[in-house]
Amino acid sequence: GENVEQHPSTLSVQEGDSAVIKCTYSDSASNYFPWYKQELGKRPQLIIDIRSNVGEKKDQRIAVTLNKTAKHFSLHITETQPEDSAVYFCAAGLWTSYGKLTFGQGTILTVHP
Amino acid sequence: NAGVTQTPKFQVLKTGQSMTLQCAQDMNHEYMSWYRQDPGMGLRLIHYSVGAGITDQGEVPNGYNVSRSTTEDFPLRLLSAAPSQTSVYFCATRSDHSSGNTIYFGEGSWLTVV
Repeated sequence: GENVEQHPSTLSVQEGDSAVIKCTYSDSASNYFPWYKQELGKRPQLIIDIRSNVGEKKDQRIAVTLNKTAKHFSLHITETQPEDSAVYFCAAGLWTSYGKLTFGQGTILTVHP
Repeated sequence: NAGVTQTPKFQVLKTGQSMTLQCAQDMNHEYMSWYRQDPGMGLRLIHYSVGAGITDQGEVPNGYNVSRSTTEDFPLRLLSAAPSQTSVYFCATRSDHSSGNTIYFGEGSWLTVV
């Protein structure tokens, strides 16, 4: 089955800096890569996703890049703000796999004012 | 619309007890699933359903049962609770095929087994 590794497990940045979280996956058949943000005590919420037919996707301060050959994808947050502090999860799966996703272990991002 | 509703939000069980975590959705989504979240391990799929009457196992199904008698409801049953089942449980739904694999989580159920 799919295996997703996420790094780093914790990330601390100053407000205004950029943050990058990286994930690798093992199953070359995976073609859908979402990122979820989870605030303390809350549910994970989708912030951005990418399909394997594109290499990069941006949404305001958030971007995701995908390297299919190397089987890794990354989340980039620019101009970080304290409200970006949360746990971020990457996931991998098939676009048509009925809600079946394999998640990374999570990254605790702390943005210091 | 309420979206995905999970009950109870918090529960303490004794080892060996059984219980059911309820999940209801009002979005008419065909696909529903249960994940558990443990520290340092992300979210792991327990069971999933592609429609009423159809269920299948995920990555960590042992000790859990599910059924899907209606589109709206997808209960998760713990048959004989064990301390290893202490976790946060999330029910998730996905809309139809044309929207791809974007899944939406319920608010979670915190379960402690003592």
